[in-house]
Amino acid sequence: AQTVTQSQPEMSVQEAETVTLSCTYDTSESDYYLFWYKQPPSRQMILVIRQEAYKQQNATENRFSVNFQKAAKSFSLKISDSQLGDAAMYFCAYRSAQGGSEKLVFGKGTKLTVNP
Amino acid sequence: GAGVSQSPSNKVTEKGKDVELRCDPISGHTALYWYRQSLGQGLEFLIYFQGNSAPDKSGLPSDRFSAERTGGSVSTLTIQRTQQEDSAVYLCASSLYDRGQPQHFGDGTRLSIL
Repeated sequence: AQTVTQSQPEMSVQEAETVTLSCTYDTSESDYYLFWYKQPPSRQMILVIRQEAYKQQNATENRFSVNFQKAAKSFSLKISDSQLGDAAMYFCAYRSAQGGSEKLVFGKGTKLTVNP
Repeated sequence: GAGVSQSPSNKVTEKGKDVELRCDPISGHTALYWYRQSLGQGLEFLIYFQGNSAPDKSGLPSDRFSAERTGGSVSTLTIQRTQQEDSAVYLCASSLYDRGQPQHFGDGTRLSIL
């Protein structure tokens, strides 16, 4: 079974600075998808960025980018120019690309605080 | 609405009662998922529906939990004889059935068992 580990329960960053959130995963599959979701206090899970494992190029969405290291099974999220609105729980998630269930496997999350 | 809609937003009930949680997915999304998020934890998969296929129930924690999806749209998660450990936020998500399509989540139902 696949597992996702987020080793940083909490992180903090100064407004306008850059922060990197760590995520590692364990799988025997070669094809899969990885996601970062943001969960503000409103509870809704918001997709931040996604990466297809077969793509070597790291995904980027505006101020958010990932460092995908397939051999190391690492998928970190970098937030540049941090804003107060970035404060939230961040979850890393894995999804198999093989047939069967399409469920997401989540890490336990990292709480990000942005200091003014 | 344009997003996944869940009701109620909050539910408080006594231990031993049955509860029903509702999810209305995004129109056109054939895949629907239920997850549970306990305090301080990540999301735990419960059940997955895709079109007319048999659902993947592998995440349901006990036979007190069941879910159905009528007409390929609205889904109801039912918890019978609730226990205090059932207290959690229950999140529903939907997606297009296409490999790698992201799941879109509702705001969840916060369930509190007294």
